[in-house]
Amino acid sequence: DIVMTQSPDSLAVSLGERATINCRSSQSVFYSSNNKDYLAWYQQKSGQPPKLLIYWASTRESGVPDRFSGSRSGTDFNLTISSLQAEDVAVYYCQQYNRTPYTFGQGTRLEIK
Amino acid sequence: EVQLVESGGGLVQPGGSLRLSCAASGFTFSSYWMSWVRQAPGKGLEWVANIKPDGSETYYVDSARGRFTISRDNAKNSLYLQMNSLRAEDTAVFYCAREGRPGRPGWSDPWGQGTLVIVSS
Repeated sequence: DIVMTQSPDSLAVSLGERATINCRSSQSVFYSSNNKDYLAWYQQKSGQPPKLLIYWASTRESGVPDRFSGSRSGTDFNLTISSLQAEDVAVYYCQQYNRTPYTFGQGTRLEIK
Repeated sequence: EVQLVESGGGLVQPGGSLRLSCAASGFTFSSYWMSWVRQAPGKGLEWVANIKPDGSETYYVDSARGRFTISRDNAKNSLYLQMNSLRAEDTAVFYCAREGRPGRPGWSDPWGQGTLVIVSS
């Protein structure tokens, strides 16, 4: 199975500041036939189901604020919130959907400093 | 509006069985891969299983294979998860989710609100 490891486990950032969450996959999630990374990011607020933010590692889902962005650097993936808002307090998960079983990172809890 | 509504959760004894249902609306259900994902209390997300639009292919996480069966009824716009030989560690909120784009497996969006399964004596 592909193991997804997120860092840090928790993060406290001041309002208006940048927040970056890292996700590393134990194997490549890149599919050469379509030149895509099979990596998604989700946001889960307390008591709610997860919400899709990013897919194909960097494609923002419709309706997601543009302060959220996804990127890849080697085998590492990053979710960046450019200017943290109060409503961004949540747990964030990465997920690979390249190969079953699809696997999630352990989650990163984002709080306001 | 795309909507997924799970039902069928509850309290069950170890070794028992439960059948979860997910009613889909607002999209062409028969065109999409569908998934079940679970979340133990206070823990992270675990993908459980998915099923091809026509039901001809299914995939499972190792901990579910042989005990759980995912199925669908496209005429009823419904997804199911039959869970047998339940264990305490199966206690979780079970979410139903639509996958990716029509005909293609992938990311999960949207998700239902979830149904809670508690396995305890």
